Amino acid sequence: AQSVTQLGSHVSVSEGALVLLRCNYSSSVPPYLFWYVQYPNQGLQLLLKYTTGATLVKGINGFEAEFKKSETSFHLTKPSAHMSDAAEYFCAVSGGDYKLSFGAGTTVTVRA
Amino acid sequence: DTAVSQTPKYLVTQMGNDKSIKCEQNLGHDTMYWYKQDSKKFLKIMFSYNNKELIINETVPNRFSPKSPDKAHLNLHINSLELGDSAVYFCASSRGDTYNEQFFGPGTRLTVL
Repeated sequence: AQSVTQLGSHVSVSEGALVLLRCNYSSSVPPYLFWYVQYPNQGLQLLLKYTTGATLVKGINGFEAEFKKSETSFHLTKPSAHMSDAAEYFCAVSGGDYKLSFGAGTTVTVRA
Repeated sequence: DTAVSQTPKYLVTQMGNDKSIKCEQNLGHDTMYWYKQDSKKFLKIMFSYNNKELIINETVPNRFSPKSPDKAHLNLHINSLELGDSAVYFCASSRGDTYNEQFFGPGTRLTVL
């Protein structure tokens, strides 16, 4: 079985500051990891994914994440926050069995 | 062209009524899903179909019944609606491969009065 823990239900950053969202996973098989973003009143949009290969993955809108097997982590970062980054962010893990297990989500607010 | 679409976007109804939500995907995917997102934004898988066959059926009241007429469509019918059914319901689809990258629809906000 797979599960995800997102540390911090709410993160507040200043515009231009680093965004860091933490995700730790548990998986009995090699995991496939995803970050999704949900803007208000919208569906989930894929930001980036790790399947195999390079452990540093780049996504849309300047986000990137690093898969660290030894730490069972897949933290999401963006060097410089923009007002448009205010949204809900979900980390998810798949064990290759059709199920995608989501974390509880992290709400990001960006201060001007 | 919208990849995963849902209708309606908003649904307001009285307790005890029966309602349906429709989902269609034009991505050529084999697998489709229904999720429920509660007021705390938690996402819970409800059902999944692969090539029209039910493959995931989580602990959901049997008032909820999914139907997949073909690979591109997955509908959700809810009988005898209760206050606790109020939520946002998302449809998603995937290729059904090992990676399981899922593409989501815009959601249907169901409000039961």
